[in-house]
Amino acid sequence: DAGVIQSPRHEVTEMGQEVTLRCKPISGHDYLFWYRQTMMRGLELLIYFNNNVPIDDSGMPEDRFSAKMPNASFSTLKIQPSEPRDSAVYFCASRLLPAGIADTGELFFGEGSRLTVL
Amino acid sequence: AQSVAQPEDQVNVAEGNPLTVKCTYSVSGNPYLFWYVQYPNRGLQFLLKYITGDNLVKGSYGFEAEFNKSQTSFHLKKPSALVSDSALYFCAVPDSWGKLQFGAGTQVVVTP
Repeated sequence: DAGVIQSPRHEVTEMGQEVTLRCKPISGHDYLFWYRQTMMRGLELLIYFNNNVPIDDSGMPEDRFSAKMPNASFSTLKIQPSEPRDSAVYFCASRLLPAGIADTGELFFGEGSRLTVL
Repeated sequence: AQSVAQPEDQVNVAEGNPLTVKCTYSVSGNPYLFWYVQYPNRGLQFLLKYITGDNLVKGSYGFEAEFNKSQTSFHLKKPSALVSDSALYFCAVPDSWGKLQFGAGTQVVVTP
């Protein structure tokens, strides 16, 4: 399997522009997660999906952020309009249905999309 | 709430020496604990996990972790560090909804 695939790997844009980050999870995985990583705040969970349905978006920082999962093999994270403080590395991760509520199973991360907003 | 703490921002070790990365946890009920590693400009990779059973858990790349209930710790260890082990290491615990809560991370620097 190719693993979790994210695109673009790097994005440089200007403040106010729309940014769309893309993710293809591992085939057969039931869960998809979007994380953001910065030096100041570390790893933050933004949103996660189960079987393409958003389960918890409480980590989405504000209305400028939106995420969709139209099918089991594709998800997008959109920022509109983008701001300099959105500069970060955005990770997508996927996993299988865990054996139990406390055993989350292994998360498989993509390589990340490094976003720079000028 | 389930949480983990990594008390060290950075650990420096010479190649060939033992490596320890510390993690303490605060959980209600049985703890389920994970270690992940992030190499430069890469995504996180799963190293190992503790569910139940032996307190010493073996994982990838020669790493192991020791679960200590009395000290509420789950330290990551490697007997002989390599320069290629230089990376960011995260301890994690699932919350009641199954979402992984990651620690702040510990940067490991292994010098030749």
